[in-house]
Amino acid sequence: AQSVTQLGSHVSVSEGALVLLRCNYSSSVPPYLFWYVQYPNQGLQLLLKYTSAATLVKGINGFEAEFKKSETSFHLTKPSAHMSDAAEYFCAVSALSGGGADGLTFGKGTHLIIQP
Amino acid sequence: KAGVTQTPRYLIKTRGQQVTLSCSPISGHRSVSWYQQTPGQGLQFLFEYFSETQRNKGNFPGRFSGRQFSNSRSEMNVSTLELGDSALYLCASREVSTDTQYFGPGTRLTVL
Repeated sequence: AQSVTQLGSHVSVSEGALVLLRCNYSSSVPPYLFWYVQYPNQGLQLLLKYTSAATLVKGINGFEAEFKKSETSFHLTKPSAHMSDAAEYFCAVSALSGGGADGLTFGKGTHLIIQP
Repeated sequence: KAGVTQTPRYLIKTRGQQVTLSCSPISGHRSVSWYQQTPGQGLQFLFEYFSETQRNKGNFPGRFSGRQFSNSRSEMNVSTLELGDSALYLCASREVSTDTQYFGPGTRLTVL
């Protein structure tokens, strides 16, 4: 069974500051990890995914995440926050690469607030 | 390619009624998954269909069912609606070659 914990239901940063959203996972098998973003009244958009290749994964919109097996973490970062980054961010884990038959297990989400 | 489409986008029903939601995956995708999103429980996996076969189901009562057609379009049905079924229902189609799930905009179901 898999589980995901996202630390901090709300994170507030200033525009131009570093964004750090935390995600810790639990998985009985080597995991596949994902970060999704959700804007108001929209579905989920994939930011990036880890599938056992490089531990540092680069995604869209300047985001990246590092897989750390020893810490069971997959934190999301962006060097400089932009107002358009304000949204809900979800970390997800799957025992299968695409989250197929077993589905994706999501964290509770982190609401990112960007202060002008 | 067009993205994942879901219809209707908004739906209001009363307790005891049933509802059917529709999802059209991205052209060429044969895998469709359904998720329920609520403020209290977050995002939860409902079930996944691949080539018209349900491969797995999440921890939901039998009132929640689905099916997939030969053109990969999928429908989700909820019978005997309860107030707690009010949620955003998201459909995702999976691109097998890249193992990536693409989500639709969702159907917002309100049960009164």
